[in-house]
Amino acid sequence: AQTVTQSQPEMSVQEAETVTLSCTYDTSENNYYLFWYKQPPSRQMILVIRQEAYKQQNATENRFSVNFQKAAKSFSLKISDSQLGDTAMYFCAFMIYSGAGSYQLTFGKGTKLSVIP
Amino acid sequence: KAGVTQTPRYLIKTRGQQVTLSCSPISGHRSVSWYQQTPGQGLQFLFEYFSETQRNKGNFPGRFSGRQFSNSRSEMNVSTLELGDSALYLCASSPTGAPTYEQYFGPGTRLTVT
Repeated sequence: AQTVTQSQPEMSVQEAETVTLSCTYDTSENNYYLFWYKQPPSRQMILVIRQEAYKQQNATENRFSVNFQKAAKSFSLKISDSQLGDTAMYFCAFMIYSGAGSYQLTFGKGTKLSVIP
Repeated sequence: KAGVTQTPRYLIKTRGQQVTLSCSPISGHRSVSWYQQTPGQGLQFLFEYFSETQRNKGNFPGRFSGRQFSNSRSEMNVSTLELGDSALYLCASSPTGAPTYEQYFGPGTRLTVT
């Protein structure tokens, strides 16, 4: 079974500071994709960043970057220069091929991030 | 380009009833996935449809079913509602469902079963 663990249910950070959200996963698959999604209070799930497991280089999207450690099955998200709009639930997820042309996302339980002014 | 839309946004049903939720994907997207989000279980995959065919199904009882129409719009149906079915139901669309494409999520339907 594939599992995703986010060990920090809640975190807070001061505006303009840096925060790192942790994620570990367990899979026997070698080919998979990892994602961080953001769900603000409005509830619309938004993709933050994506990482292909076969790529060693860590993905970066503006203020968001990941630290992908494949051997350790770890995929943390770093948010730099935190902004009030970053306040949201953050979900770590991975996607594997599940047959018949279909891919399936498995999500962690989420980390609630609050950015404090 | 219009985003993923879900109707209705809120729904209150009584235990034992059935309910149908609708999801309209982004134009051109042929893959639609459904997820159930609850405080206790988090986000769980329900099923995925592509070109009117169910390609994948999560670990949910047979009371949960779905379908996809030729215009890629999808519906999910829950029969004999139970209190535990109260959840936020999210759908997501993508061109093919492959991870090289982003999955775009709708705003969700909040179902409350009393």
